Amino acid sequence: DAGVIQSPRHEVTEMGQEVTLRCKPISGHDYLFWYRQTMMRGLELLIYFNNNVPIDDSGMPEDRFSAKMPNASFSTLKIQPSEPRDSAVYFCASSPSETKNIQYFGAGTRLSVL
Amino acid sequence: DAKTTQPTSMDCAEGRAANLPCNHSTISGNEYVYWYRQIHSQGPQYIIHGLKNNETNEMASLIITEDRKSSTLILPHATLRDTAVYYCIVRVAVLTGGGNKLTFGTGTQLKVEL
Repeated sequence: DAGVIQSPRHEVTEMGQEVTLRCKPISGHDYLFWYRQTMMRGLELLIYFNNNVPIDDSGMPEDRFSAKMPNASFSTLKIQPSEPRDSAVYFCASSPSETKNIQYFGAGTRLSVL
Repeated sequence: DAKTTQPTSMDCAEGRAANLPCNHSTISGNEYVYWYRQIHSQGPQYIIHGLKNNETNEMASLIITEDRKSSTLILPHATLRDTAVYYCIVRVAVLTGGGNKLTFGTGTQLKVEL
């Protein structure tokens, strides 16, 4: 398997623009997680899905952030409008239900909002 | 979840064993100890986990004290590629329902040197 695939790897945008980050989980994994990592706050869980259904979005910073999982092989994290403080590395991870807490991470998307 | 305490940083000579400690004195009986690492500019990577018995896999060994209040991750022959931040996480391994939230602390920055 190719692992968790995230795109784009790097994104540079201007404040106020919409940003969409994409994730393809490992086939057969029914949990998908979105994390954000910054120097100040470390690695934070934003939201996670089970069988395409959002289970816990308590980590989503505010209404400007939204995440969807229209099918088992694709998820998006959208920021609209983006702000400079959203600059971070965003990671997607997936795991199979039988080995919870063993999560497989993608390479991340480095977002810079100018 | 039980809180974990790890040293901020450690150094290790290449070829030597790297022993990374983790204190989790408030661990509950049903909580596992998980170890992840994050090499610079990459997503976190699962290493190993255990409940109370020592565990070994192709990457590392995990030694958990009898009272389970602390553990040590051992990389038997550290290489330069093992330079990374190592995270110790304590979490229940629930096989049903939600609750897959891993909390990554600040971890230990391991630097392997020649």
